[in-house]
Amino acid sequence: AQKVTQAQTEISVVEKEDVTLDCVYETRDTTYYLFWYKQPPSGELVFLIRRNSFDEQNEISGRYSWNFQKSTSSFNFTITASQVVDSAVYFCALSEDANAGKSTFGDGTTLTVKP
Amino acid sequence: NAGVTQTPKFRILKIGQSMTLQCAQDMNHNYMYWYRQDPGMGLKLIYYSVGAGITDKGEVPNGYNVSRSTTEDFPLRLELAAPSQTSVYFCASRPDRAAQPQHFGDGTRLSIL
Repeated sequence: AQKVTQAQTEISVVEKEDVTLDCVYETRDTTYYLFWYKQPPSGELVFLIRRNSFDEQNEISGRYSWNFQKSTSSFNFTITASQVVDSAVYFCALSEDANAGKSTFGDGTTLTVKP
Repeated sequence: NAGVTQTPKFRILKIGQSMTLQCAQDMNHNYMYWYRQDPGMGLKLIYYSVGAGITDKGEVPNGYNVSRSTTEDFPLRLELAAPSQTSVYFCASRPDRAAQPQHFGDGTRLSIL
């Protein structure tokens, strides 16, 4: 069975601080996909990033960066120089090729960026 | 380009009433999903479909039913509404099984009183 754990329930930072959101996953499949989604206060779900299980290259995109480590089953997400508009709930999700593409979501981390 | 459209956006039901939450997508995606999101929690899968005429239960299917007569539409039916079904419901679609991100509708906020 697949499982996603986001141990940080809430994080509060001051604007311009860097913040890392943690995600740990469990899966028995060898081919899987990890996602980060953002849910701003308006409620919609916005896709941010996807990583394949066979691609451990980390990436930076603007103020966002991702650290995928298969050895520790972690897929962490960092926001550099946080802004008030980054305040949202962030969800980590896991999908498996062998599971009809169903996604398992973590319970989310609420990020509050104070001015 | 509408994407995934959910109706209604808000609804209040009395205990025991029935209703259908509508979901339509215009991206020709085969895979569609219904989730519920309770306060402070992540998304729990209710039902999913891998194509027209094919549906299957997710993690929390009790009290719900679905149908998939066309590629575009995937309605969710609540037969006897209970307070425990108060939640925000999201419909999502994706073009293939697991590699692509899901496209979400804006959600339906449902209260059972």
